[in-house]
Amino acid sequence: DQQVKQNSPSLSVQEGRISILNCDYTNSMFDYFLWYKKYPAEGPTFLISISSIKDKNEDGRFTVFLNKSAKHLSLHIVPSQPGDSAVYFCAASSNDYKLSFGAGTTVTVRA
Amino acid sequence: DADVTQTPRNRITKTGKRIMLECSQTKGHDRMYWYRQDPGLGLQLIYYSFDVKDINKGEISDGYSVSRQAQAKFSLSLESAIPNQTALYFCATSDPTDQETQYFGPGTRLLVL
Repeated sequence: DQQVKQNSPSLSVQEGRISILNCDYTNSMFDYFLWYKKYPAEGPTFLISISSIKDKNEDGRFTVFLNKSAKHLSLHIVPSQPGDSAVYFCAASSNDYKLSFGAGTTVTVRA
Repeated sequence: DADVTQTPRNRITKTGKRIMLECSQTKGHDRMYWYRQDPGLGLQLIYYSFDVKDINKGEISDGYSVSRQAQAKFSLSLESAIPNQTALYFCATSDPTDQETQYFGPGTRLLVL
């Protein structure tokens, strides 16, 4: 049973606009959340993370929002650029150093 | 040079064959992991190792075994490959001071006929 779910397999957005990726989780023990980005023929690379004691973390064009009561997090990319076209994985950890991953969302940024 | 390398990058094998996937890292991390990725399922943890003498099963360890030959090397073996082990396999490492963030290799694409 998947504990981390990304219900949108794909997202298409115009260059310069905002991309919003969503992630839901079921395990209330998760206390750390990460987003990874993956290009074809490469491994996932760490993008941004957030601890459960926060509700927002920002790094340049990337912002992650956490809503613990709803067990939901989202990744905002503003503005979207062609190089952002990739698969984005949401991941969560319950302080045991093992990550549970969602199925991924493929983002396509249109020129 | 890449910090986490995997060999081979692509492999085709037949049902019943034994194969080994290798992972090496130059990051000096103690913790290493093996994942597989299937379409629509994300990454699933096969095995993980927190140091050379520590090996732990992950979510889907059946049909797999691992060996931690040194701090820098972590190998995954399929003793008798079967077609449903066709997948993309990733090795990852993590830093003891930042254990939540894992660093991934480029992956090995395995096809079992």
